[in-house]
Amino acid sequence: EAQLVESGGGVTPPGGSLRLSCAASGFTFDDYAMSWVRQAPGKGLEWVSSIKWNGDDTGYADSVKGRFIISRDNAKNSLYLQMSSLRVEDTAFYYCARSGGPNYSHYGMDVWGQGTTVTVS
Amino acid sequence: QSVLTQPPSASGTPGQRVTISCFGSRSNIGSNYVYWYQHLPGTAPKFFIFRNNQRSSGVPDRVSGSKSGTSASLAISGLRSEDEGHYYCASWDDSLSGWVFGGGTQLTVL
Repeated sequence: EAQLVESGGGVTPPGGSLRLSCAASGFTFDDYAMSWVRQAPGKGLEWVSSIKWNGDDTGYADSVKGRFIISRDNAKNSLYLQMSSLRVEDTAFYYCARSGGPNYSHYGMDVWGQGTTVTVS
Repeated sequence: QSVLTQPPSASGTPGQRVTISCFGSRSNIGSNYVYWYQHLPGTAPKFFIFRNNQRSSGVPDRVSGSKSGTSASLAISGLRSEDEGHYYCASWDDSLSGWVFGGGTQLTVL
């Protein structure tokens, strides 16, 4: 069974940095694009970033462009999100999600992790 | 303000049919597939409907999705208490080069 487990969340002051990780298991990791989606308190889902199966194409929401970097290590079946210059409005639950195929623009997110909390305060 | 527009709430009694709408534009729903996610309290979002009208594994056939032009809808018939939760539509946006979500609809079974 495909499974995603996020880690790395925590509390950080404005301007700080955090690195989220997502460990994948139960499927061939490098067959799939991956994404990060967040949910701020009391708000809906918001796409943050996505990365193609081989890492050579990435996409970011305007709200995080220039501050967040998505990456992956296919040898370690892991996805990462390096978050810098964090703002109060980045406070959210961050989900790791698998796309249904190798390109993130063509497939919805079919497997989701349980999420990790990021608090900027 | 979300790029895709959904009603904030919907409700129905057990056994009834409820429909949730999702309005977008030419650059998203008008050009790409629509996906629906079910987000129940305390759980991870679930892949619910994909490619406009395809049910994900385990989703009962009393659930259906449709798309017409720049709008889409999710219909749940034979409403059950376990259907309570939030439902989000999503689509790729060619102008933004990113995924866009609706603001979510909270479904209540009365």
